[in-house]
Amino acid sequence: QKEVEQNSGPLSVPEGAIASLNCTYSDRGSQSFFWYRQYSGKSPELIMSIYSNGDKEDGRFTAQLNKASQYVSLLIRDSQPSDSATYLCASKESNTGKLIFGQGTTLQVKP
Amino acid sequence: EAQVTQNPRYLITVTGKKLTVTCSQNMNHEYMSWYRQDPGLGLRQIYYSMNVEVTDKGDVPEGYKVSRKEKRNFPLILESPSPNQTSLYFCASTNSLCGGTYEQYFGPGTRLTVT
Repeated sequence: QKEVEQNSGPLSVPEGAIASLNCTYSDRGSQSFFWYRQYSGKSPELIMSIYSNGDKEDGRFTAQLNKASQYVSLLIRDSQPSDSATYLCASKESNTGKLIFGQGTTLQVKP
Repeated sequence: EAQVTQNPRYLITVTGKKLTVTCSQNMNHEYMSWYRQDPGLGLRQIYYSMNVEVTDKGDVPEGYKVSRKEKRNFPLILESPSPNQTSLYFCASTNSLCGGTYEQYFGPGTRLTVT
């Protein structure tokens, strides 16, 4: 069974701090990884995708991928209360279009 | 505006009464999926479709049917709903399968309650 594992949290950080969210995946053949943000009762929104080892930065967000360790992370710099949400990590199953989602990490940014 | 739409957004129904949740996308995507999301269980794929007339089971297909007669539409059918199908449902469509970027867009969700 291919899995994506995340700590459910909640992860609580003060406003302005760096939030670090992590996940691990089991499918060694997976080449594509994604972070979605989901506010309560709303649909998941894609915020970052990463396809190669290393870091990818987009504004306050940095995704990091280490395929050897099967590890993906998301850093949110200068965290804002509006970043409070559940963050879903997903990997794309090798050779199919299926996304395998982790259960999500709840982030709370306190003013 | 590129989007995935679902209807209805909220539905309360009774056990055994057939219902259909519609999903439509205007991005000409080939790959579409249905998910359900339950507390503690995360997002689970119900069915997916790789193109018109091509559908296949996901992880939790029991009690559901789908069809893909047109590229833009992918309805989810519950022939005889039961209370364990009470959930939040999302339709999604995806822009690419092979190479390049891969972006999956979700619809706004349908909250279904079966009593």
